Amino acid sequence: GALVYQYPRRTICKSGTSMRMECQAVGFQATSVAWYRQSPQKTFELIALSTVNSAIKYEQNFTQEKFPISHPNLSFSSMTVLNAYLEDRGLYLCGARKELNTGQLYFGEGSKLTVL
Amino acid sequence: GDSVTQTEGQVALSEEDFLTIHCNYSASGYPALFWYVQYPGEGPQFLFRASRDKEKGSSRGFEATYDKGTTSFHLRKASVQESDSAVYYCAFYDTNAYKVIFGKGTHLHVLP
Repeated sequence: GALVYQYPRRTICKSGTSMRMECQAVGFQATSVAWYRQSPQKTFELIALSTVNSAIKYEQNFTQEKFPISHPNLSFSSMTVLNAYLEDRGLYLCGARKELNTGQLYFGEGSKLTVL
Repeated sequence: GDSVTQTEGQVALSEEDFLTIHCNYSASGYPALFWYVQYPGEGPQFLFRASRDKEKGSSRGFEATYDKGTTSFHLRKASVQESDSAVYYCAFYDTNAYKVIFGKGTHLHVLP
């Protein structure tokens, strides 16, 4: 079956430091990866959509300078939260899909970021 | 803009109760519609989808019917179990931007 692993599961960092998180697709080729942030209230914010061999598209309020993403192949993507502050807290979820033109996403368990 | 609105907050039921979680969408054309479920400590899981008017999606006893007339995709289950306690998300796929738009989630508590 299709599985997505995210690492690390949780990180605690000091304000102003950075955190890198990884997303690994197992059992399928992830042509597209969507990075979301889930708030403590459980709402989703789409950060960016990354497709192999295409430019990464960031949503309003999210920038490459703050959330650089790498998607070098069909099984791996990573995102870094640079200069993290309190408002960056949340559960960062990676949703991978087999084909671009589908809304069916396979999610990992998320990387929870706590900022002190 | 395009959006999804679903029953907000929490829904508390007893085992064997009937469940309805409302979902309405605002989008042009025929977006594909989805339900996802998220159990505590896990990422969201795809439950099922429907992509045309009157199509019914179903999985694990849950079902929803795509209704273009009322722009709805309400989630229903005839008899809930304690193990169904989770957060349920209605979502649609924006084919122009290739992105999945999620509702705010509905937290279902099923009491034994």
